[in-house]
Amino acid sequence: DGGITQSPKYLFRKEGQNVTLSCEQNLNHDAMYWYRQDPGQGLRLIYYSQIVNDFQKGDIAEGYSVSREKKESFPLTVTSAQKNPTAFYLCASSIRYYNEQFFGPGTRLTVL
Amino acid sequence: QKEVEQNSGPLSVPEGAIASLNCTYSDRGSQSFFWYRQYSGKSPELIMFIYSNGDKEDGRFTAQLNKASQYVSLLIRDSQPSDSATYLCALITQGGSEKLVFGKGTKLTVNP
Repeated sequence: DGGITQSPKYLFRKEGQNVTLSCEQNLNHDAMYWYRQDPGQGLRLIYYSQIVNDFQKGDIAEGYSVSREKKESFPLTVTSAQKNPTAFYLCASSIRYYNEQFFGPGTRLTVL
Repeated sequence: QKEVEQNSGPLSVPEGAIASLNCTYSDRGSQSFFWYRQYSGKSPELIMFIYSNGDKEDGRFTAQLNKASQYVSLLIRDSQPSDSATYLCALITQGGSEKLVFGKGTKLTVNP
């Protein structure tokens, strides 16, 4: 089955800890994205990658970091510098950067 | 003016009625338009896309695009309780840097 997987589904973090969210796709898509969604809010772009070994900051990149060493994988690290990390994190991919995006199931992060 | 605007709702319709969801946008050069459905606690799912002026039908869903008036709409005929979700309008902007931009979504409730 082709698709996008994210793990874990739920993640709990203590303040001051870094955590890494996984995103994998087997759709052979070039572009991958990370969004954050807060209750009642729209999607906010954190980082995106148009091609392997390249990534760009989105609208709210502060306190986050990413890597794109493989085409299939785009992990997101939420660092202790992110002041309010509790949110629903969504990974997406598209064939090319300016095409329609398909989403993974999401990771719900809660800071304790 | 925001790039993509949607009425946040909630929009409430009785089962069997037509639900009409609207979206306006500011970038006149936008060429590609998408509708995503997001159930509560789930990730967005692409349900329709439209590139040309006019109507595009897919089952009970019809997307309508009017580039001159800069609006795109989604009609859901014979609405079912299972259609209750938040509907996100998205488009690819053309002004300088192509990117996919999302509206904040309209929450639809279909009452049995």
